[in-house]
Amino acid sequence: QVQLQESGPGLVKPSETLSLTCSVSGGSVISGSYHWSWIRQPPGEGLEWIGYIYHSGSANYNPSLKSRVSISVDTSKNQFSLKLRSVTAADTAVYYCARTYFYFHYMDVWGKGTTVTVSS
Amino acid sequence: EIVLTQSPGTLSLSPGERATLSCRASQSVSSSSLAWYQQKPGQAPRLVIYGASSRATGIPDRFSGSGSGTDFTLTISRLEPEDFAVYYCQQYGSSFTFGPGTKVEIK
Repeated sequence: QVQLQESGPGLVKPSETLSLTCSVSGGSVISGSYHWSWIRQPPGEGLEWIGYIYHSGSANYNPSLKSRVSISVDTSKNQFSLKLRSVTAADTAVYYCARTYFYFHYMDVWGKGTTVTVSS
Repeated sequence: EIVLTQSPGTLSLSPGERATLSCRASQSVSSSSLAWYQQKPGQAPRLVIYGASSRATGIPDRFSGSGSGTDFTLTISRLEPEDFAVYYCQQYGSSFTFGPGTKVEIK
């Protein structure tokens, strides 16, 4: 079955760029039925959608993060990536990647999540 | 942006009891784009209900979803020990938003 795995630095300095990658196995990012999303969860808080990308490269972002976020897809490596610029302590969170069904807009497969701490 | 409100914040119940969780939207939401997730400590969320009332793969039939417009409900008919968790509702209009969650805890 499809599995997702997040990877990237666990510690990022303030004002720098957070970069994470989600590797997809057991399925393809080229599937026409799915978007590929990033979601985050600050410690002790709820879920916040960051954005999603389609295999064509078309992306949609949370309006509150749009000025700092970019999501890209590498179909040759079957992975997609997140960049969040100018981070602050408020960006400290568990970051999840998830497969998002195009037609009913739900997230049916999630990665285990990776913790990113913003600190000097 | 559509804001989702969940109530109650915490639900204290015993195994075998019925749980009723509410999700209210700040404006009308398409039922096809309303989902519920279960999250246990240290784990990723798990899809429970999609399309407001359809159970996800592997979800037992004690879980049911209902509602339309701005008011949606997740019902767990008889709580099992593994059901105690935090539940989030989620909608998609032009962007995704999640509710703040309802914690179902053991009384």
